[in-house]
Amino acid sequence: QKEVEQNSGPLSVPEGAIASLNCTYSDRGSQSFFWYRQYSGKSPELIMFIYSNGDKEDGRFTAQLNKASQYVSLLIRDSQPSDSATYLCAVNPSAASGGSYIPTFGRGTSLIVHP
Amino acid sequence: EAGVTQSPTHLIKTRGQQATLRCSPISGHTSVYWYQQALGLGLQFLLWYDEGEERNRGNFPPRFSGRQFPNYSSELNVNALELEDSALYLCASSLVLGSGGNTIYFGEGSWLTVV
Repeated sequence: QKEVEQNSGPLSVPEGAIASLNCTYSDRGSQSFFWYRQYSGKSPELIMFIYSNGDKEDGRFTAQLNKASQYVSLLIRDSQPSDSATYLCAVNPSAASGGSYIPTFGRGTSLIVHP
Repeated sequence: EAGVTQSPTHLIKTRGQQATLRCSPISGHTSVYWYQQALGLGLQFLLWYDEGEERNRGNFPPRFSGRQFPNYSSELNVNALELEDSALYLCASSLVLGSGGNTIYFGEGSWLTVV
């Protein structure tokens, strides 16, 4: 059973702070990793993806991947109240899964950015 | 470029009836995924279609079914509706690149309410 674990939160940070969201996964051979943002009552929106160990930056967002520790994180710099949402981590399985290209999603972390 | 489109946005049905939800993928995408998200819960994988074939299904009863058409659009059918089928149904599409390199993009979702 492939699992993706996230702290459900809520994570509360003040406006302008750095929000750090974490995700662990069980499938050691997982190939690619995604972060989605989901506002209440809306569908998930892709923020960014990462394939290789290390950091990947896109504007105020930085994804960090550590395959040895089976850990992926999302940092949001200069957090804004509009960043308040649930953040979903998704993991694509390894090729050893027989080509089952079905992402596994975590339950999501609720982020609240207060003014 | 148009994203994933879903219809209807909202649907109200009576217990025991059938519901049909429709999805058009992003142009060029051949894979369509269906997920169910009940209120306050995570995304539950329902079905995956690629190149017109059902490739995998999640842990849902057979009354959840669907198909993919030659133009890669898809429909999800839910028969013998039960109250607990009330949820947001999300369609996503991707272009499977191999080695887990597919990125999925979600539509706006269809809210199904069973009364």
